[in-house]
Amino acid sequence: AQSVTQLDSQVPVFEEAPVELRCNYSSSVSVYLFWYVQYPNQGLQLLLKYLSGSTLVESINGFEAEFNKSQTSFHLRKPSVHISDTAEYFCAVSDGGSQGNLIFGKGTKLSVKP
Amino acid sequence: ETGVTQTPRHLVMGMTNKKSLKCEQHLGHNAMYWYKQSAKKPLELMFVYSLEERVENNSVPSRFSPECPNSSHLFLHLHTLQPEDSALYLCASSQVRGGVPQYFGPGTRLTVL
Repeated sequence: AQSVTQLDSQVPVFEEAPVELRCNYSSSVSVYLFWYVQYPNQGLQLLLKYLSGSTLVESINGFEAEFNKSQTSFHLRKPSVHISDTAEYFCAVSDGGSQGNLIFGKGTKLSVKP
Repeated sequence: ETGVTQTPRHLVMGMTNKKSLKCEQHLGHNAMYWYKQSAKKPLELMFVYSLEERVENNSVPSRFSPECPNSSHLFLHLHTLQPEDSALYLCASSQVRGGVPQYFGPGTRLTVL
């Protein structure tokens, strides 16, 4: 069975500092990988996805994630964070099959301080 | 409106009340999902509908009753809930069952007194 591990439940950083949110997954088949972001009192928004092709994927607001098959990881990075990036970030995996469901990690709360 | 919408955004109910949550997707998708998000727990998939047919029920208590009258609308009927059912209930949709990515609504924050 697939599973997703987000090692850090909370990550506090100062504004303009770099950040990495870690995500590891376990799966014996090809996977699709996602990062969702949840701002306070809101639902989940798709931040970026890896389906195929380039292992480095980017979002429109400066986040990027790299699919590393050998390490079964999909870490999320941003070189310089803003106060507005304060949110909870969820990593998710799917095998994409007709019965495949999204399996979510427990989430990482990113807190950006001035 | 675009995307996935949910109403109400907040709901407070007593254990003897009956209420319903509504979800509507404007994306032309054929699959819809209900998730429960509780504090400090991963998102829990509750129900999956594909082309208005329930295809998955993940051991959800019968006090939660879903309904999918068409591919754009999904309801979650609630009755005789318990305080531990208080959570954020999220609706999502995808093009087909198992399709990715899934798009989520803003959620309904439910408090059971």
